[in-house]
Amino acid sequence: DAGVIQSPRHEVTEMGQEVTLRCKPISGHDYLFWYRQTMMRGLELLIYFNNNVPIDDSGMPEDRFSAKMPNASFSTLKIQPSEPRDSAVYFCASSLIGYTGELFFGEGSRLTVL
Amino acid sequence: QQQVKQSPQSLIVQKGGISIINCAYENTAFDYFPWYQQFPGKGPALLIAIRPDVSEKKEGRFTISFNKSAKQFSLHIMDSQPGDSATYFCAAPNEAAGNKLTFGGGTRVLVKP
Repeated sequence: DAGVIQSPRHEVTEMGQEVTLRCKPISGHDYLFWYRQTMMRGLELLIYFNNNVPIDDSGMPEDRFSAKMPNASFSTLKIQPSEPRDSAVYFCASSLIGYTGELFFGEGSRLTVL
Repeated sequence: QQQVKQSPQSLIVQKGGISIINCAYENTAFDYFPWYQQFPGKGPALLIAIRPDVSEKKEGRFTISFNKSAKQFSLHIMDSQPGDSATYFCAAPNEAAGNKLTFGGGTRVLVKP
């Protein structure tokens, strides 16, 4: 398997623009997680899905962030409008049995908001 | 909110030396404590994990030691190699949040040749 695939790898945008990050989990994995990594806050869980259903979005910073999983092989994280403080590396991870099992992370999407 | 306190923030060790990273957690009802390794430009990858019906788990040069009563666990890297230079994260389930994993702040390890 190719692993978790994220796109784009790098995104530079201006404040106020819409940003869409994409993720393809490992086939057969029922859980999908979106994490954000910054120097100040480390790795933060934003939201996770089980069988395409959002289970817990309590980590989503505010209404500007939204995530969807229309099918088992695709998820998006959208930021609208983007702000400079959203600059971070966003990781998608998938897992067979949830967060008490191995999480397989993608290589991340590095977002810079100017 | 569960806090997982990881120390030190950074560590420099000579090749062949031992790297020790410590983590302390708060309450959890579920015992699953993984360590993840992250290289620059990559996502974290599971290194080793323990379910502490045992106090120690060893995989090659990597060992987790677990002290349930003290709510602490540590990662030991024996015979450290330059290829071990990476950032290491511990994690613990967050009882207050349905046992979601909370990650420590990370330890950047540099192994000098």
